[in-house]
Formats: sequence, structure tokens, C-alpha cells
Amino acid sequence: DGGITQSPKYLFRKEGQNVTLSCEQNLNHDAMYWYRQDPGQGLRLIYYSQIVNDFQKGDIAEGYSVSREKKESFPLTVTSAQKNPTAFYLCASSPVGLSSGANVLTFGAGSRLTVL
Amino acid sequence: DQQVKQNSPSLSVQEGRISILNCDYTNSMFDYFLWYKKYPAEGPTFLISISSIKDKNEDGRFTVFLNKSAKHLSLHIVPSQPGDSAVYFCAARYGNKLVFGAGTILRVKS
Repeated sequence: DGGITQSPKYLFRKEGQNVTLSCEQNLNHDAMYWYRQDPGQGLRLIYYSQIVNDFQKGDIAEGYSVSREKKESFPLTVTSAQKNPTAFYLCASSPVGLSSGANVLTFGAGSRLTVL
Repeated sequence: DQQVKQNSPSLSVQEGRISILNCDYTNSMFDYFLWYKKYPAEGPTFLISISSIKDKNEDGRFTVFLNKSAKHLSLHIVPSQPGDSAVYFCAARYGNKLVFGAGTILRVKS
């Protein structure tokens, strides 16, 4: 079955530590995205990538970093510079970028990060 | 600046009746609108969409209506079922981005 796998599902971090969330897709999609969900707020875009070795900042990129070395992988690092990292993180993908004709994102099951 | 707003945090409906979820937007450049459904601790799943050039799209029990002059869209679920209980997100496309609303929790009582 094709889909998006996010790991770990739950993660606890001490303040000051960097943590990396994994996102792998076997849908052969070109574009991948990271969103953050907080209670009472919509999903907010952190970073997106339309093609391997290229990515762009979303609306709330500060304190985060990404890489896109392989088509199927788009890991997100939450750095110690992120002031309020406790949240539910969602990875998504689409066959091509949204501006290239894609309309629908397919989401993974999410990773919940808690900073202690 | 919230460009997509879902003003009702929650909605409770009796099984078999109609559920109407509403969404307002401010950006007239949005060209595509979607509804996603989300269960706790899971990722959102796509439900139904509509292009900005249309005013209605139907898929089984789900119908989305778009009123461009009012910058308003709504999702109708008829008849509502207990399995429809979830969080529903409205989303709108602009360029490379999907902008999401805050979500509405739908509870369908049996």
C-alpha cells in the first residue's frame, strides 16, 4: 500500500535539544510538505519541497530546518531556536507542486512532539 | 492574519439529520477549495473539493457549495452518521500553498 510514514509517533525532548522527525513516502510524489497543528488553529505550513534538492520556507519556518536529498524522504529538524516546539507535526505530499496543478495533499499520521 | 476561517469550533447533530459546516475566506485569489476530515492522532484525509469556477460539487452524502460573492463555502453531509464524527478542516489553494482553517469538531449522536 502506498502512503506516507512518519516517525516517531510520539517524541519527548528537553529544552535546548534538536530533534529530527522522519517523513517517508512511497507514492512517487514530487512535492512534500511539513505542517504544524496547534489546538484551536489550522494547519500552518513550515516548509515545502517541489523537487529533490530544493525547498522553500512556509509561513512559520523560523526554528526549523529541512533537507530533500531523496525523492521519498523529507526530514524536519526542530532546532533549539524554535521557541514553542510542542505541537502535532504533519507531513504531506502531492504528485506535483500545488502551483503545477496538484489540488490534493496526502497526509501522514503525524508526530506529536512534547518539550519537557 | 487568518485567510480561512471556520467560525464554529463545534457542531452537534442527530444521526440521520443534515450536518452543515461553514467556512469563510478573505483572499479572492484562492482558486481551489477542499474539505479534509481528521480523526484524533491521525493525519487529515481528503473528503471533497471544488474549483472556484463552480458553485457546487457532490459526492455521495457530501456536497460542497461555494458562494464566491460572499467568499463562503459550506459542506453538507446528508444523512449524518456516527462515523462522521471527526474534525473537519476547510482549505484553500493559492499558488504553492494550501491554507487551512482552524477546524470544526462534528459530533453525530446516535
